Amino acid sequence: AQTVTQSQPEMSVQEAETVTLSCTYDTSESDYYLFWYKQPPSRQMILVIRQEAYKQQNATENRFSVNFQKAAKSFSLKISDSQLGDAAMYFCAYRSEGEYGNKLVFGAGTILRVKS
Amino acid sequence: DAGVTQSPTHLIKTRGQQVTLRCSPKSGHDTVSWYQQALGQGPQFIFQYYEEEERQRGNFPDRFSGHQFPNYSSELNVNALLLGDSALYLCASSLGNSYTIYFGEGSWLTVV
Repeated sequence: AQTVTQSQPEMSVQEAETVTLSCTYDTSESDYYLFWYKQPPSRQMILVIRQEAYKQQNATENRFSVNFQKAAKSFSLKISDSQLGDAAMYFCAYRSEGEYGNKLVFGAGTILRVKS
Repeated sequence: DAGVTQSPTHLIKTRGQQVTLRCSPKSGHDTVSWYQQALGQGPQFIFQYYEEEERQRGNFPDRFSGHQFPNYSSELNVNALLLGDSALYLCASSLGNSYTIYFGEGSWLTVV
């Protein structure tokens, strides 16, 4: 079974600085997707960034980028120029492909606090 | 364009009771998944519905059941509620097997 591990329960960053959130996963599959989701106090999951396992190039979305190390099964999220609005719970997720349908496997989350 | 909508937002039930949660997927989406998120934890996959059939199921007991209607909306039913069922229940929708998944804001269930 696939598992996702986020080893940092909580992280803090100063406004305008850079922070990296860690994620490792375990799978025997060769083709899959990885995601970072943001969950603000409203509780709605918001997709931050997506990485296809077959792509070697790391995904980037504005201030958000990932460091995808397939052999090491590592998928970290870097947030540059941190803003107060980035404060939230961040979840790393793996998209498992079942024979029929698919599901997301989430890590336990990292609380990100942004200091002004 | 409405996104994923869930109802009710909050509810309180007593142990042993039954509860029904509802979800309307984003317009054009035909696949609905349900997740349980206990306080301080990541969401756990319950099951997924497509074309009114359960397509995949997570490690949840049979007390958890669901349904998808012809208009793609879905219900999650939980029987014989336990204190441990207290959680945020998230609904997510997508078009087929697309990796673009939209989540609702969830239904907070408290079992007392």
